[in-house]
Amino acid sequence: EAGVTQFPSHSVIEKGQTVTLRCDPISGHDNLYWYRRVMGKEIKFLLHFVKESKQDESGMPNNRFLAERTGGTYSTLKVQPAELEDSGVYFCASSQNSLAGGPRNEQFFGPGTRLTVL
Amino acid sequence: GQSLEQPSEVTAVEGAIVQINCTYQTSGFYGLSWYQQHDGGAPTFLSYNALDGLEETGRFSSFLSRSDSYGYLLLQELQMKDSASYFCAVRPFLAGTALIFGKGTTLSVSS
Repeated sequence: EAGVTQFPSHSVIEKGQTVTLRCDPISGHDNLYWYRRVMGKEIKFLLHFVKESKQDESGMPNNRFLAERTGGTYSTLKVQPAELEDSGVYFCASSQNSLAGGPRNEQFFGPGTRLTVL
Repeated sequence: GQSLEQPSEVTAVEGAIVQINCTYQTSGFYGLSWYQQHDGGAPTFLSYNALDGLEETGRFSSFLSRSDSYGYLLLQELQMKDSASYFCAVRPFLAGTALIFGKGTTLSVSS
């Protein structure tokens, strides 16, 4: 079974440019999460999709970030325009629906996209 | 707010035992999880404690004490491949299913 995949693995852009990150979750996983880790800090939650619906976007830093999950499969996270403080590693994770996953509901992470804004 | 504290770095030698502590401040949560991340890789799930006590999975064990707001990950018979970052995480009752992570502990195992 394929794991969570993310594209690109690395992205270097200049301040003011736009970048779109993609995440393909494990097939059949209803829950999809975006997280970000800024160097030396904790992995922080950004938002959560259940199928194609945004369940919780309380962690999105500001309106320069836009996430979509059309059709409830893959998801994109667009940063427009990018700022220096947006640099970090963006992780995507997926998990089964709550009934199947139970209280533990293990989240499976992708390898992340390392974004550098110059 | 909710926060989890871990040591930033731990060093040990092959064959040794190491304990990585995690203290937290959170109003209520479903369980304490541990994730391992090798450089440049995906965080991978290691263990989960829903109840107080010890959970053992091979060389790794994890412990939770809700009354002490404390947990730990115990790694035994350390191997070089255990060198990685280790994160504790909780899923608070009021945060949907999102995880709240600690800053991570970098474990370096030497020969």
